[in-house]
Amino acid sequence: ETGVTQSPTHLIKTRGQQVTLRCSSQSGHNTVSWYQQALGQGPQFIFQYYREEENGRGNFPPRFSGLQFPNYSSELNVNALELDDSALYLCASSRDRKQETQYFGPGTRLLVL
Amino acid sequence: GESVGLHLPTLSVQEGDNSIINCAYSNSASDYFIWYKQESGKGPQFIIDIRSNMDKRQGQRVTVLLNKTVKHLSLQIAATQPGDSAVYFCADTYGGATNKLIFGTGTLLAVQP
Repeated sequence: ETGVTQSPTHLIKTRGQQVTLRCSSQSGHNTVSWYQQALGQGPQFIFQYYREEENGRGNFPPRFSGLQFPNYSSELNVNALELDDSALYLCASSRDRKQETQYFGPGTRLLVL
Repeated sequence: GESVGLHLPTLSVQEGDNSIINCAYSNSASDYFIWYKQESGKGPQFIIDIRSNMDKRQGQRVTVLLNKTVKHLSLQIAATQPGDSAVYFCADTYGGATNKLIFGTGTLLAVQP
């Protein structure tokens, strides 16, 4: 176990709705990265948060947004859900933004109908 | 590496044999490489890492080899066990403000008893 937790484990939404996913980082870690993993593919980087600030973003539209809180837990928000947003959403924490080793949580499985 | 397609390459081995999983990466500036194991329904689990100033690193039953000339990474698993059955991903990153991981396609390792 990595100590990284995510909630909820599964979620079903309909097109156009909004969703919030949550992540608690491992103790002592101040950096959280979010990834989207479509079925049968490797994870794709969404964005990273370091000390409550966004610290880099992948090729995802602005309707994907996030937050990091003072305790370094994080949220991923997705607005105006599309069918293609159906995926496993993973968060990973690391000791620092310069520490490359990222430890992943179990993920949230999102299904958009 | 870059994730492509929906059909994972599969490696089928007999229990007790050695396994070799290969990965190609595309960014010649990448300086840190990680192997992750992902079991069905779970998040990626860290296995072993290697920096670009090394060409080999050993862990418990696992060895990672790095060939920067041809941008190739391999993971060797000794005495493969049924519990090793999973999808294996390589990921790379390069030094910068954001240590985003770029994941390869993944290889499904199937261990036959």
